[in-house]
Amino acid sequence: EAGVAQSPRYKIIEKRQSVAFWCNPISGHATLYWYQQILGQGPKLLIQFQNNGVVDDSQLPKDRFSAERLKGVDSTLKIQPAKLEDSAVYLCASSSGAASTDTQYFGPGTRLTVL
Amino acid sequence: AQTVTQSQPEMSVQEAETVTLSCTYDTSENNYYLFWYKQPPSRQMILVIRQEAYKQQNATENRFSVNFQKAAKSFSLKISDSQLGDTAMYFCAFMNGYSGTYKYIFGTGTRLKVLA
Repeated sequence: EAGVAQSPRYKIIEKRQSVAFWCNPISGHATLYWYQQILGQGPKLLIQFQNNGVVDDSQLPKDRFSAERLKGVDSTLKIQPAKLEDSAVYLCASSSGAASTDTQYFGPGTRLTVL
Repeated sequence: AQTVTQSQPEMSVQEAETVTLSCTYDTSENNYYLFWYKQPPSRQMILVIRQEAYKQQNATENRFSVNFQKAAKSFSLKISDSQLGDTAMYFCAFMNGYSGTYKYIFGTGTRLKVLA
């Protein structure tokens, strides 16, 4: 079974530029998560999708961050414009969504550096 | 609001020895799940072990076991016979079983180094 795929693995941009990350979850997984992991900290949930609907985006800085999940499968996370403090690893995870099998499986992440 | 605390930023252990990583959490809920994830230098997070709060028996996965103390809100991870491949960041995570959102709250992590 293929795992969670993310691209790109690394991205360097200047502040005020825009950037987009892509995630392909495990096949059949209804729930998809985007996390921000700043160096030295644990992952922080940005947004959670159930199929193609948003379940929780309470910690997403909506003035600059946006996310969508196309047809309930792939997802993109966009930052526009980027700030220096957005430098972090962006992790995508997916789960089946069923309460009894709700382990989250993580992708390798995208390391963003904002200069 | 739920919180997860990992009070040991870094730990080291000799190969083949046993090490325990601590985690405490705060919640008013009765139904929840707890997890330990491992994040090797390559960055991909891997589930190590999970515990359902309604189960009294401590979870075990090969060399990994937990000491779940519900009343004390403590969830420590014991790694027996440590191997060099266990070197990684370890994150404790909490999930509310009632909310339906299956949202994880992570601790700040413990960096474990296994010494040859």
